[in-house]
Amino acid sequence: QVQLVESGGGLVKAGGSLRLSCAVSGLNFRDYYTRWIRQAPGKGLEWIAFIGSPGLGKTIYYSDSVKGRFTISRDDARKSVFLQLNSLRDDDTAIYYCSTHHSTLPSEDHWGQGTQVTVSS
Amino acid sequence: QSGLSQPPSASGTPGRSVTISCSGRYSNIGSNSVSWYQQFPGTAPKPLIFGSDQRPSGVPDRFSASKSGTSASLSISGLQSEDEADYYCSAWDDSLNGWVFGGGTKLTVL
Repeated sequence: QVQLVESGGGLVKAGGSLRLSCAVSGLNFRDYYTRWIRQAPGKGLEWIAFIGSPGLGKTIYYSDSVKGRFTISRDDARKSVFLQLNSLRDDDTAIYYCSTHHSTLPSEDHWGQGTQVTVSS
Repeated sequence: QSGLSQPPSASGTPGRSVTISCSGRYSNIGSNSVSWYQQFPGTAPKPLIFGSDQRPSGVPDRFSASKSGTSASLSISGLQSEDEADYYCSAWDDSLNGWVFGGGTKLTVL
């Protein structure tokens, strides 16, 4: 059974930092890419970061809204993905979800339950 | 960043069918497969469709999807009250090097 568990969210002041974690189990993590997607209160889904599988060079992409402030990384031995959030702003307030997908096989992706990040000004 | 376009709301009566549209560009829907997600209030999105028209195991065959050119659609037949949820489409965008999502469609079962 595939499971993704996010942690690390919380309340932080504007300009502060947080480090989110996503622990993955139930699949061969090295074959999967992972992305972070967030959802602001009452809003839709927004992709913000991607990290490829080791086999595809761990390529990294960011959305323009977080580029230069957020950093994605992965630890394949720990089957985990991380998102370092720096220079947080009010509009970063959202639920942050991690999602993983097989790098080459057509299949559905898997999502965690999300972790809440609240930025206060 | 540009996203995909979905109607903000849709509705249907129990037992009938409803279709939700999703419009994009060549760089996203026109060149890549589309995924659809179902989200209930307070819960994480659930994958409903991948590869433009494939259902994960466990998703009822009342849910179907298709893609043509730069548009995609999700159809739900035999509507049930438990289908009331928000539905999102998504696709990789070659120009943005990232995923784009539709704004979401809130489905009401009357």
